[in-house]
Amino acid sequence: QITLKESGPTLVKPTQTLTLTCSFSGFSLTTGGGGVGWIRQPPGKALEWLALIYWDDDQHYSPSLRSRLTITRDSTNNKVILTMTDMDPVDTATYYCAHNDFGAHYFDYWGQGALVTVSS
Amino acid sequence: SSELTQDPAVSVALGQTVRITCQGDSLRTYYALWYQQKPGQAPALVMYGKHSRPSGIPDRFSGSTSGNTASLTITGAQAEDEADYYCSSRDRTDKYWMFGGGTRLTVL
Repeated sequence: QITLKESGPTLVKPTQTLTLTCSFSGFSLTTGGGGVGWIRQPPGKALEWLALIYWDDDQHYSPSLRSRLTITRDSTNNKVILTMTDMDPVDTATYYCAHNDFGAHYFDYWGQGALVTVSS
Repeated sequence: SSELTQDPAVSVALGQTVRITCQGDSLRTYYALWYQQKPGQAPALVMYGKHSRPSGIPDRFSGSTSGNTASLTITGAQAEDEADYYCSSRDRTDKYWMFGGGTRLTVL
């Protein structure tokens, strides 16, 4: 059974760096283990894909946010970390991590989401 | 184009058939993915590939594609199908993912 859970601060100030952790179980980010992506959703708005890291450390980023994002993996501890620099109030959103099956384009398991508010 | 376009809202009478559409150039290359999101919940995958449903998704959900337009059809809509539906696709360079703006489905 695959599960994912996001953790991190609920409130960050403008210009600060956000660090979110996705803790997962039921799969391994090692050989052939698929990938983990991050998707966010501002209140009342649409989903926006942010980044994804594969088992082989191949990383993909949203072109519009690439300069601000870094995704890393801690395969030993089954975690994926997303950092986003220079936070702004428009980055207020629920941030989801999700499992991407190896060779597939879909996200088949999602975390519950973590609401991050950017405010001074 | 690197966008996916959806109608903001659609309604359907209980038990009737509804089609939710998604347009984008990437859909000429990749099948659309469809996610259902109910209030306060994370999105859930309901359709992928040519016409594949994850385990547990009722067969009243079906998918199709024609040219640059993908459709999610619900045949015999139920009250529990009321939700936001998002289409998604890889971009044509196969480097990143995209989501449509979402369609809010109301079951009357």
